[in-house]
Amino acid sequence: KQEVTQIPAALSVPEGENLVLNCSFTDSAIYNLQWFRQDPGKGLTSLLLIQSSQREQTSGRLNASLDKSSGRSTLYIAASQPGDSATYLCAVIYWTGNQFYFGTGTSLTVIP
Amino acid sequence: DGGITQSPKYLFRKEGQNVTLSCEQNLNHDAMYWYRQDPGQGLRLIYYSQIVNDFQKGDIAEGYSVSREKKESFPLTVTSAQKNPTAFYLCASGAGGNQETQYFGPGTRLLVL
Repeated sequence: KQEVTQIPAALSVPEGENLVLNCSFTDSAIYNLQWFRQDPGKGLTSLLLIQSSQREQTSGRLNASLDKSSGRSTLYIAASQPGDSATYLCAVIYWTGNQFYFGTGTSLTVIP
Repeated sequence: DGGITQSPKYLFRKEGQNVTLSCEQNLNHDAMYWYRQDPGQGLRLIYYSQIVNDFQKGDIAEGYSVSREKKESFPLTVTSAQKNPTAFYLCASGAGGNQETQYFGPGTRLLVL
């Protein structure tokens, strides 16, 4: 069974702080990994997608890295803002399959 | 506007009743997916469809049924056999295969009366 784990489950930081969210997966044969944002009671919004051949992707204040050999990805958020408060989920898809496997998410609160 | 719509936003089910959740997309995507989200858990795949008139069971298909008669539509029926249906249901679509991102609808929250 494919396992995707996110630590920590919840995180609270003061505004302006840089932070790192972690995602780990058990099978290194991934095709791509994706980070999503979910606001309370809403659907998911894609933030960044990293192909297996890539090491990182950047979008604005967000940077996602991928280390397949260690089964880990990190999402770095620079200069956090209250509007960043949401749940962040990672999902992986494998070469052998056609479905995403989701982590349980990290609930982020940025305190003004 | 291109996107995915789900309706209703809230749905109430009585004991023994079947209910159907709607999912429509105008992104011209071949693949569509249904997920269930429970508090403290990640999304779990219920059913997915890679092409019209074809669909596959996901990890938790028991008590659910789907149809894919049109490319744009992928309704999910929660049957009376699903004993714990209270959850947030999310529909997604994508270009298919293992190469593309998934685009999500706003979700339907199902509650049992």
